[in-house]
Amino acid sequence: NAGVTQTPKFQVLKTGQSMTLQCAQDMNHEYMSWYRQDPGMGLRLIHYSVGAGITDQGEVPNGYNVSRSTTEDFPLRLLSAAPSQTSVYFCATLFRTGANSPLHFGNGTRLTVT
Amino acid sequence: EDKVVQSPLSLVVHEGDTVTLNCSYEVTNFRSLLWYKQEKKAPTFLFMLTSSGIEKKSGRLSSILDKKELFSILNITATQTGDSAIYLCAVDYGGATNKLIFGTGTLLAVQP
Repeated sequence: NAGVTQTPKFQVLKTGQSMTLQCAQDMNHEYMSWYRQDPGMGLRLIHYSVGAGITDQGEVPNGYNVSRSTTEDFPLRLLSAAPSQTSVYFCATLFRTGANSPLHFGNGTRLTVT
Repeated sequence: EDKVVQSPLSLVVHEGDTVTLNCSYEVTNFRSLLWYKQEKKAPTFLFMLTSSGIEKKSGRLSSILDKKELFSILNITATQTGDSAIYLCAVDYGGATNKLIFGTGTLLAVQP
């Protein structure tokens, strides 16, 4: 039982490049989400999914795409990276959408866009 | 605009000291307030508070919520160097989205 696994741990991109941040969970959690953490800003919600096949936007969705084809995986795509997307990205999950319980966080991906 | 404000932004104490971290909030919907501890990697859950005046306690850490005055405090007694971390406060909006709004965190450094 690995919990929430994020890959890669670190990534450096040039402006305009694309990449996918991976998030996988083996806990059969229904709810999955992506947050970004920036100094002085706290964590902010990018996108979330309340179940397989269903996604929605969070607070800061611009520049990011997501999909949820399986319960286990929730990849975050950057189609054309910008320096403003330099951040630490966290995937967070919950066993059941709407449950009044704390989110489980992955260990994060540190992304630098030059 | 919904917001969660934490104070102080940073704090340096010596081992054995007691610290109080503050979190105030203004949100349109409130279900619960959560405290997380973040060391080098993932935030780890500490407390979830839903009712006013009921203290949650875990070892040397405790927390309480005041829903009338819209704030919460996190207390750490007899601090240890292992308590050094960023402490995050977040409000859960409720409903079917499980959205959290986070404060910017308090950076606590405990010196030997």
